[in-house]
Amino acid sequence: AQKVTQAQTEISVVEKEDVTLDCVYETRDTTYYLFWYKQPPSGELVFLIRRNSFDEQNEISGRYSWNFQKSTSSFNFTITASQVVDSAVYFCALSEGPGTASKLTFGTGTRLQVTL
Amino acid sequence: SAVISQKPSRDICQRGTSLTIQCQVDSQVTMMFWYRQQPGQSLTLIATANQGSEATYESGFVIDKFPISRPNLTFSTLTVSNMSPEDSSIYLCSTRGQLAGDTQYFGPGTRLTVL
Repeated sequence: AQKVTQAQTEISVVEKEDVTLDCVYETRDTTYYLFWYKQPPSGELVFLIRRNSFDEQNEISGRYSWNFQKSTSSFNFTITASQVVDSAVYFCALSEGPGTASKLTFGTGTRLQVTL
Repeated sequence: SAVISQKPSRDICQRGTSLTIQCQVDSQVTMMFWYRQQPGQSLTLIATANQGSEATYESGFVIDKFPISRPNLTFSTLTVSNMSPEDSSIYLCSTRGQLAGDTQYFGPGTRLTVL
């Protein structure tokens, strides 16, 4: 069975600080996908990134970066120079297999609070 | 990509009644998924809906409580039956894009409060 662990329940930082959100996953499949979503107070899920298991390249998108390490089954997310608008709950998720029938298993989420 | 809309966006219902949530996708998709997010919790998959067949329910969810329809490749409904306050949650519809490398898309959610 697949499992996603986000050990950090809540993180508080001051604006402009860097922050890393941890995600550890478990799966028996060799083909799988990892996701990060942002859920602001309004409730909608905002897609941030999708990474497949064969691509271990780290990715940077603006202030966001992701570190995927299969050796430790981790897919961590870093926000550089955090801003108040980054305040939200962030979910890491896993799906097994490449098909359109794959369902997502979510972690419990990390609530990020960025203050001035 | 896929754009998903849901109706209603929110509702307040009385105990014992039922509510049907509609999910519309702007393109034809194979599978549609229904998730529940209880207050302060993560997302949990309720069921997977394939057009033309019975939905597949996850452990802990049953068809009598959460009947699902999937009449065509762009539309699905989830009914929350005989509601109790424990059903107060956000219900989200989801699908994966049909293109290779496409991602998992979510609707804006239906925020349900049961009194």
